[in-house]
Amino acid sequence: EIVMTQSPATLSVSPGERATLSCRASQSVSTHVAWYQQRRGQAPRLLIYGASTRATGIPARFSGSGSGTEFTLTISSLQSEDFAIYYCQQYLNRLTFGGGSRVEI
Amino acid sequence: QFVESGGGLVQPGGSLRLSCAASGFTFTGYWMSWVRQAPGKGLEWVANVKEDGSEKFYVDSVKGRFTISRDNAKNSLYLQMNSLRVEDTAVYYCASTILGGQGTLVTVSS
Repeated sequence: EIVMTQSPATLSVSPGERATLSCRASQSVSTHVAWYQQRRGQAPRLLIYGASTRATGIPARFSGSGSGTEFTLTISSLQSEDFAIYYCQQYLNRLTFGGGSRVEI
Repeated sequence: QFVESGGGLVQPGGSLRLSCAASGFTFTGYWMSWVRQAPGKGLEWVANVKEDGSEKFYVDSVKGRFTISRDNAKNSLYLQMNSLRVEDTAVYYCASTILGGQGTLVTVSS
């Protein structure tokens, strides 16, 4: 099983600041990585797939990078609606998810 | 892309059958999975099925109790859940390579 490890578990930032979230795979997954945002009481919302491609309708302040085992989600300037939990996921071999990173004020 | 249905409240030991209607992509070209999220917890892969239904895999905690299946003619995915336990309480999502639906809530409680 490919294990996805996210850090930090919690990130405290202010609106307008930059947020950088990390995700590490236990073995290479090439660029078969997606990122999701989950607000309280809602389903996960796809942000990024293929490690760096924004999903339809996702603002440009969200960007993804990385390949192999190291991946990053960057939110360039946090808006109030961006305070949520973020999950990474690999889809090279079955589907496995990171434990999530909470972005809070 | 996915519309999940079939969830509800069931007693421990009971059964439910979840359904997922897929659209917007070539259903027959993908392995399909069920993923669940228990209240306040993260996302957990539950089961998957090969494009033609010939291979199926399950997380250890549901082996022997859950059965995944698909109907390619209907672009639909199913999860038959038997011998349900309190710890199966979760929102269940279907997925190809990515999640794309609102999920269906399964609550197992007496």
